[in-house]
Amino acid sequence: EDKVVQSPLSLVVHEGDTVTLNCSYEVTNFRSLLWYKQEKKAPTFLFMLTSSGIEKKSGRLSSILDKKELSSILNITATQTGDSAIYLCAVPRAGNNRKLIWGLGTSLAVNP
Amino acid sequence: DTAVSQTPKYLVTQMGNDKSIKCEQNLGHDTMYWYKQDSKKFLKIMFSYNNKELIINETVPNRFSPKSPDKAHLNLHINSLELGDSAVYFCASSHRTSGRTDTQYFGPGTRLTVL
Repeated sequence: EDKVVQSPLSLVVHEGDTVTLNCSYEVTNFRSLLWYKQEKKAPTFLFMLTSSGIEKKSGRLSSILDKKELSSILNITATQTGDSAIYLCAVPRAGNNRKLIWGLGTSLAVNP
Repeated sequence: DTAVSQTPKYLVTQMGNDKSIKCEQNLGHDTMYWYKQDSKKFLKIMFSYNNKELIINETVPNRFSPKSPDKAHLNLHINSLELGDSAVYFCASSHRTSGRTDTQYFGPGTRLTVL
């Protein structure tokens, strides 16, 4: 059965720390992996990764895919309180219906 | 603003009532989705339409009925509301023929509370 597993489930850090969030997947005919950030409202799109070893970067956030290890990491450097959120990972299932298999998310709390 | 929008943002109602949630996107996408997010924050897909055709229909009580009058709109009607229907319902959209076919963009959510 296709599945996406994120770790850790929750994390508490201090401002300025660097964090690494993990996402591993078992999905047939892998095509891409997506990262989202959810604060109090809707999930907002961060990155889509399709190629192994190529880092995607946006400010202090970066992500990389390792197809050999069937995983991805999301790094946040110099964390700020505004980074506090749930970070969700999703992988589309094979087929034409574009159904995303979602992880349970990592709840990140950044304390001042 | 180009976005996915939902109405209403909040909905408080009594058990047994029938209610609808509306979703519209002006992103030019051809695929739309309904998700339910419960108190544990897990996102569960309910339905998806591509160009008005139902393509995902998960195991959802038949009290829930989606309707897509055109590819920019996807509504969700819920009959005989139950306490367990209380959740946040998100609409999302994506474009199947673009380079980012898997990327879904979410609406702000509708918080449904059934009393």
